[in-house]
Parts: sequence; C-alpha cells; structure tokens
Amino acid sequence: QKEVEQDPGPLSVPEGAIVSLNCTYSNSAFQYFMWYRQYSRKGPELLMYTYSSGNKEDGRFTAQVDKSSKYISLFIRDSQPSDSATYLCAMTTGTGNQFYFGTGTSLTVIP
Amino acid sequence: DADVTQTPRNRITKTGKRIMLECSQTKGHDRMYWYRQDPGLGLRLIYYSFDVKDINKGEISDGYSVSRQAQAKFSLSLESAIPNQTALYFCATSDLGAFSYNEQFFGPGTRLTVL
Repeated sequence: QKEVEQDPGPLSVPEGAIVSLNCTYSNSAFQYFMWYRQYSRKGPELLMYTYSSGNKEDGRFTAQVDKSSKYISLFIRDSQPSDSATYLCAMTTGTGNQFYFGTGTSLTVIP
Repeated sequence: DADVTQTPRNRITKTGKRIMLECSQTKGHDRMYWYRQDPGLGLRLIYYSFDVKDINKGEISDGYSVSRQAQAKFSLSLESAIPNQTALYFCATSDLGAFSYNEQFFGPGTRLTVL
C-alpha cells in the first residue's frame, strides 16, 4: 500500500468553479501536511501547509486535514485559468527526514 | 537568479552511459534532496543530505549515487544508465529551522531520457 494516495485526474472545470482536491494516507504518524503546485516544466512550489488536524485558509485556498480519517483536502474558490497546474499533496512525520508525495492531480480551469 | 539551479535541463543518453546531474543553491540551506518524478508515481526520494558529511538513501536509491561537494552543491550520478531511469529529476533544499517541518524548495528539474 502506498503511503499517500491521490487521484491523478485530470480535472477540468469552468472558470469560477469551486475545486476540491483530496489525498488519503496510511501513516498515522504524519503531522505536517502540504500542498504543492507545479506548473508545466517547472518544479513544485509550496502552496499551503497545515499542522495536525484542522483548517487553514489563504485567500481563495483552504486546506483541511482530518487525521481521524487520514484524509486531507485542498479547496480552491473562484478558480482562475492561472490555477491550471498539477497539485501535489505531501506529508511528513515532522522529523524533517522525508516527505511523502501524492502522485499529483492535474487541474485545468477553462476560461 | 534562481535560488536552486539544475544542470543540464534536458539530457538524452544511451543505455550504459554514465550521467551526472548537478544541483546548486544560493539559499544557504544545509539540507539537499534528489527526487525523481514519473507519471502515475509522483515524486520519489532518491537520496538526501543534511550537511556535507551526511548522505542518506531514500526510497529508490538503487542505481544511483550522490556527492555533496559543498554546502551549495549536490550531484546525482547514474553509473550505468538504463531506460527505466528515464524521468524528470528534481533537486530540493530545506533549512534546519526552529521547527521540525521545513519547506522544501525545488529546482526547475532535469528531463533525462535513456535510450
């Protein structure tokens, strides 16, 4: 079983839609949960991170972590064409030794 | 200038050839990482280094070796390249801060094709 599971998509939505991206994981020791955004032919860039369970909001983006279900989500409100990218979830136990990444979900926002 | 640079950006080589991918950073970070990215498999850790004298194997180190020449430089070698090493390779860095979690900063990637 993979440490982190993520639906690869692709996901295609109209501009202005609410987007929901999700990951599940198996290791209950994970404490830090990240979402990276990767544009075509670029390296991943950190979008948001949360510690333990709960919600975190940053502009149009909201990250949710439910440790009891081992489930994390990223919501994008009022999606824009510039949001078109691959979104990768990542998590770590907090020792800083290793990040575990999902496979990434490819998102296209159609104008 | 980019904080994390990788050379080359693209490379096509033949089976059995020795290949070196190089990574340099100007962020002053102690920790450096090499990942490969494959469709459907995501990012997988090959090797990581917490300082110049520290080298650690990651999830998929077989067929690879690394060298940490300086705090700012971390190179990845494929001693005898094989076609299933065709992938996108990323270098990343992170700092040793006050908290256990530290953001990783990625380079632009090297696209390697082994024929």
